[in-house]
Amino acid sequence: NAGVTQTPKFQVLKTGQSMTLQCAQDMNHEYMSWYRQDPGMGLRLIHYSVGAGITDQGEVPNGYNVSRSTTEDFPLRLLSAAPSQTSVYFCASSYGGQVTNEKLFFGSGTQLSVL
Amino acid sequence: GESVGLHLPTLSVQEGDNSIINCAYSNSASDYFIWYKQESGKGPQFIIDIRSNMDKRQGQRVTVLLNKTVKHLSLQIAATQPGDSAVYFCAENKFPGQGAQKLVFGQGTRLTINP
Repeated sequence: NAGVTQTPKFQVLKTGQSMTLQCAQDMNHEYMSWYRQDPGMGLRLIHYSVGAGITDQGEVPNGYNVSRSTTEDFPLRLLSAAPSQTSVYFCASSYGGQVTNEKLFFGSGTQLSVL
Repeated sequence: GESVGLHLPTLSVQEGDNSIINCAYSNSASDYFIWYKQESGKGPQFIIDIRSNMDKRQGQRVTVLLNKTVKHLSLQIAATQPGDSAVYFCAENKFPGQGAQKLVFGQGTRLTINP
């Protein structure tokens, strides 16, 4: 199993550009999520999904969209990038869907810079 | 701010000594806690987790202690090795019973091993 795969690893955008961060997992996990990591602030939850067709907002959802058309994929879209979205983005997944506590498996991250 | 915080942002220990990393949480209703290790340029890696109905859980060279009275969590690493150098994050499921888990992470503690 490849686990959680994120692409690209690095990306530079100009303010106002759009892009999609890709995330795929091959572990048949129901739960998938996106976090951003900023210096000194740990990881903050952006959006999450408990299964195909179901998404919900996390702590910092503004400026980001997600969809979950398949169990395997959970892309994160930036519609109009802003410098405040410069960060490292992590996708994570776990077995559980609703109302379960399960450890998250993380991808290796996407480092995004918005100029 | 973060509901999960760390007492020390950095910790230096001698190789072979035991390390103790501390974490405070604010929500007494949190029912699940987890520790992650993050090496430079990589995604967080699961170390150990504990549910609120337990006080202690042991893994290979690691022990997590949960003190619900003072809302404190600690990670003990026995016989610290150079490979243990990393940033360590604690996280809690801050909204139990409100749907899928939403892990809230602390800012992290950087562990440095001195030869």
